[in-house]
Amino acid sequence: SQKIEQNSEALNIQEGKTATLTCNYTNYSPAYLQWYRQDPGRGPVFLLLIRENEKEKRKERLKVTFDTTLKQSLFHITASQPADSATYLCALNSNYQLIWGAGTKLIIKP
Amino acid sequence: DSGVTQTPKHLITATGQRVTLRCSPRSGDLSVYWYQQSLDQGLQFLIQYYNGEERAKGNILERFSAQQFPDLHSELNLSSLELGDSALYFCASSVAPPTRELFFGEGSRLTVL
Repeated sequence: SQKIEQNSEALNIQEGKTATLTCNYTNYSPAYLQWYRQDPGRGPVFLLLIRENEKEKRKERLKVTFDTTLKQSLFHITASQPADSATYLCALNSNYQLIWGAGTKLIIKP
Repeated sequence: DSGVTQTPKHLITATGQRVTLRCSPRSGDLSVYWYQQSLDQGLQFLIQYYNGEERAKGNILERFSAQQFPDLHSELNLSSLELGDSALYFCASSVAPPTRELFFGEGSRLTVL
């Protein structure tokens, strides 16, 4: 069956450290994958898009990798700050639709 | 500000009633998507429109319907409401069917009592 999975448990990280979130998928062959941030009660906000022919993409303190062999994307936040605390969602394209993971809640402790 | 406008922001109604949620996409975006998010749950895709035409359907109940008008705004109609329909309803827009990022509105919070 087709699945997209993110860590269901909250991830607690000390401020200043690098947070790494995982998105795994099975039985999809996405041309690209996207990461979004969602704060409680708010709409998701687009962060980064990475295509299948790109290994890595960076934006300020954010870095995304995409390994089509492992069927995995990693999302890194370096020098994490309490303001980075949120739920992070990955989404991949399939048949002109976006398939969403359930999200990982990230908590950055001061 | 994403540029996507949703109204109303909050709505409280009773079981059995009908409500209409409205979405204005970002200027220039042709695709509109509707999502449902119940408390502490993931995004559930309901339906997508592209330039007035239905493009994809997700887990949308028969009691729910939607349309996209010539001016590209969209409405989601929820009827015969049940307690379980209480949720945040998000609208998102994109330039084209999802080869680009989605821009989400702030959502309409529906409470069914």
